[in-house]
Amino acid sequence: SQKIEQNSEALNIQEGKTATLTCNYTNYSPAYLQWYRQDPGRGPVFLLLIRENEKEKRKERLKVTFDTTLKQSLFHITASQPADSATYLCARDDKIIFGKGTRLHILP
Amino acid sequence: DTGVSQNPRHKITKRGQNVTFRCDPISEHNRLYWYRQTLGQGPEFLTYFQNEAQLEKSRLLSDRFSAERPKGSFSTLEIQRTEQGDSAMYLCASGDRVNTEAFFGQGTRLTVV
Repeated sequence: SQKIEQNSEALNIQEGKTATLTCNYTNYSPAYLQWYRQDPGRGPVFLLLIRENEKEKRKERLKVTFDTTLKQSLFHITASQPADSATYLCARDDKIIFGKGTRLHILP
Repeated sequence: DTGVSQNPRHKITKRGQNVTFRCDPISEHNRLYWYRQTLGQGPEFLTYFQNEAQLEKSRLLSDRFSAERPKGSFSTLEIQRTEQGDSAMYLCASGDRVNTEAFFGQGTRLTVV
């Protein structure tokens, strides 16, 4: 079956360091992947979209990569801050199918 | 326009009762999505619409769930004969097909007692 997986349920990163989150997909070749942020009790908020022909996309302190050989997308937050603590979700498809998410904690 | 609006925000119902949720998307967004989310999990796809047409319904859904978008604007999600396992956050999102990203509402939290 077509799967999208975020292997880390939770990740603790020291403030100021770069946080790197992973999204893997199997049995599928998505035309694009999306990344969202979700805070407790709220709906997800769109962050970035990367297409299969794009290796990298940036937005302020955020960077997303797309490696079709490894079937993987990496999401980076540089100079992380406690306010970056949230759950980060990757998603595929026009239907926007989500992975389980990674809870990121930035430690002061 | 204030974004995607979902009503009610919270709903407590007794097992066996029917419930209906409403979603008002961002105006002129032709795509509308419904998801269910339980604690610690990502949003689980339920169904989505392109204008008034329901394009797909998750096989995970039983026949107790139905969604409509009669005029291609607001949408309703109905759950018949609710069960305790239906307790979850129900999220609605809308999108412009061209841009692909989705904008989510605050969700409706359903508790079945």
